[in-house]
Amino acid sequence: QKEVEQDPGPLSVPEGAIVSLNCTYSNSAFQYFMWYRQYSRKGPELLMYTYSSGNKEDGRFTAQVDKSSKYISLFIRDSQPSDSATYLCAMISGGSYIPTFGRGTSLIVHP
Amino acid sequence: DTAVSQTPKYLVTQMGNDKSIKCEQNLGHDTMYWYKQDSKKFLKIMFSYNNKELIINETVPNRFSPKSPDKAHLNLHINSLELGDSAVYFCASSPRTSRNEQFFGPGTRLTVL
Repeated sequence: QKEVEQDPGPLSVPEGAIVSLNCTYSNSAFQYFMWYRQYSRKGPELLMYTYSSGNKEDGRFTAQVDKSSKYISLFIRDSQPSDSATYLCAMISGGSYIPTFGRGTSLIVHP
Repeated sequence: DTAVSQTPKYLVTQMGNDKSIKCEQNLGHDTMYWYKQDSKKFLKIMFSYNNKELIINETVPNRFSPKSPDKAHLNLHINSLELGDSAVYFCASSPRTSRNEQFFGPGTRLTVL
């Protein structure tokens, strides 16, 4: 079992839909949780960064962490075609700064 | 533009050759990294440098040798290239105050024939 599991998709939704992207993990030492967005043929770009359980909101994006279930989510409201990308979750243990990445979920938002 | 930049963007070469990839960041960060992203999109850390010093060296063949001439540059030299080295290589950097937040370059797509 990999330390971080993420469904590769693709996930195809119509414009305006609410998107839910998820990762599960097995390492209870993970304390920092990130979501990166990667457009085709580009480098990953940090979208959201959370430390504790709970929700963090930034515009149309909400990151949710449930440490008891070892489950994190990224919600995208009012999805746009420009949100079409691969979304990678990443996690870091306390005392480290090297992330363990999920394999990414490919999201397609069609007009 | 403030960013992490890499050259070349694409690299196609024969097995057995030696090649280098260059990375520069003008963000003033003191920590830089090399990652490999395979065909299944997994991103894995290869090396991390802090202020020109190697601090992380994951299990990577010693054909791969990073070099940091100064804290704004981290180059990757690969000897005796093999088919399995084909991947996208990303450079990244992070500030000392928030090492968890890494900024990635655009990637170098290496194809070994």
